[in-house]
Amino acid sequence: RKEVEQDPGPFNVPEGATVAFNCTYSNSASQSFFWYRQDCRKEPKLLMSVYSSGNEDGRFTAQLNRASQYISLLIRDSKLSDSATYLCVVSSEYGNKLVFGAGTILRVKS
Amino acid sequence: NAGVTQTPKFQVLKTGQSMTLQCAQDMNHNSMYWYRQDPGMGLRLIYYSASEGTTDKGEVPNGYNVSRLNKREFSLRLESAAPSQTSVYFCASSEWTASYGYTFGSGTRLTVV
Repeated sequence: RKEVEQDPGPFNVPEGATVAFNCTYSNSASQSFFWYRQDCRKEPKLLMSVYSSGNEDGRFTAQLNRASQYISLLIRDSKLSDSATYLCVVSSEYGNKLVFGAGTILRVKS
Repeated sequence: NAGVTQTPKFQVLKTGQSMTLQCAQDMNHNSMYWYRQDPGMGLRLIYYSASEGTTDKGEVPNGYNVSRLNKREFSLRLESAAPSQTSVYFCASSEWTASYGYTFGSGTRLTVV
């Protein structure tokens, strides 16, 4: 079983739509959680950290459910520029490295 | 504000050749990492260095060696390249532990023929 599992997609949505991604992680000792965004043929870039209380950054909302070991990302009012691969990321048990999911592809169409 | 710089950006090697991928960061970060990214598999950790003078194996270290030359630089060496090492290689750094998240370099696309 992979440590971090994501639906690979692609999710094809129209502009203005709301879209949600989930991921699950296997290590209950993980302490830090992130969503990264990766554009085609580019490096991953930090989108947002994920906190137990949930957090929001503009059109993006991230949630963490420690009991069920899943993380979600909600994107409201999708823009064409949101088209990318979204990587779910968790820290290792000791926090000394990050484990990446394989990513979920989002395509926003006009 | 360069961040994390990787060289080269592209490389084609013949099977059996050796090469070193260079990585340097100018953010005074303590920890540095090498990952490879293959289609459908996500990023997998090859080696990391929690601080200057220390290195540790990650998930897929076989066929690679690393050197943490100083606080800024962390190189990855392929001693005898194999087609299975065709991949995109990313270097990353973090201020202290990975819990702060990473800053990535722009990657090296390596093809071994």
